[in-house]
Amino acid sequence: DGGITQSPKYLFRKEGQNVTLSCEQNLNHDAMYWYRQDPGQGLRLIYYSQIVNDFQKGDIAEGYSVSREKKESFPLTVTSAQKNPTAFYLCASSTPFEAGEQFFGPGTRLTVL
Amino acid sequence: GQNIDQPTEMTATEGAIVQINCTYQTSGFNGLFWYQQHAGEAPTFLSYNVLDGLEEKGRFSSFLSRSKGYSYLLLKELQMKDSASYLCAVKDSNYQLIWGAGTKLIIKP
Repeated sequence: DGGITQSPKYLFRKEGQNVTLSCEQNLNHDAMYWYRQDPGQGLRLIYYSQIVNDFQKGDIAEGYSVSREKKESFPLTVTSAQKNPTAFYLCASSTPFEAGEQFFGPGTRLTVL
Repeated sequence: GQNIDQPTEMTATEGAIVQINCTYQTSGFNGLFWYQQHAGEAPTFLSYNVLDGLEEKGRFSSFLSRSKGYSYLLLKELQMKDSASYLCAVKDSNYQLIWGAGTKLIIKP
């Protein structure tokens, strides 16, 4: 079955620690995205990648980093520089970038203690 | 700035019809999407409008008026499983999706 996987579903970290969230897709999509969702707010774009080895900052990239070494994988690292990292993180993919709907993974709920 | 407005919460009765409105102000327009999101889960795609008019897909329909910056999602024959948040999103001139905060729909028996 084609789809997007994110792991883990729930993640707890201590303040000051970096943490990496996994996102893998087998839909053969070129474009991948990371969003953050907070209660009462719309999804906010952190980073996106239209093609392997290329990625662009979204609206709230500060304190986050990504890599796109393989078409299937787009991991997100939440660094200690992110002031308020506790949130629900959603990974999505689409093809092509200009058109078509985005397909979402199940999400990772990160709680920083 | 870019803005998507939706009601925060709506309540409807099982078997009835409900209309969820969305108004938008964006830099450019390359289509409007509706997604359904159950609590704690990923959004799932419902509909896409790029031209004015009504798109029907089973119990769900979506309408778009580009001149008014307005869309609505119409849900018919409501079922309890339709209790969820409904997200409106617009693709702007840079093909970025701008998201509304979502409308939480509560279905009562």
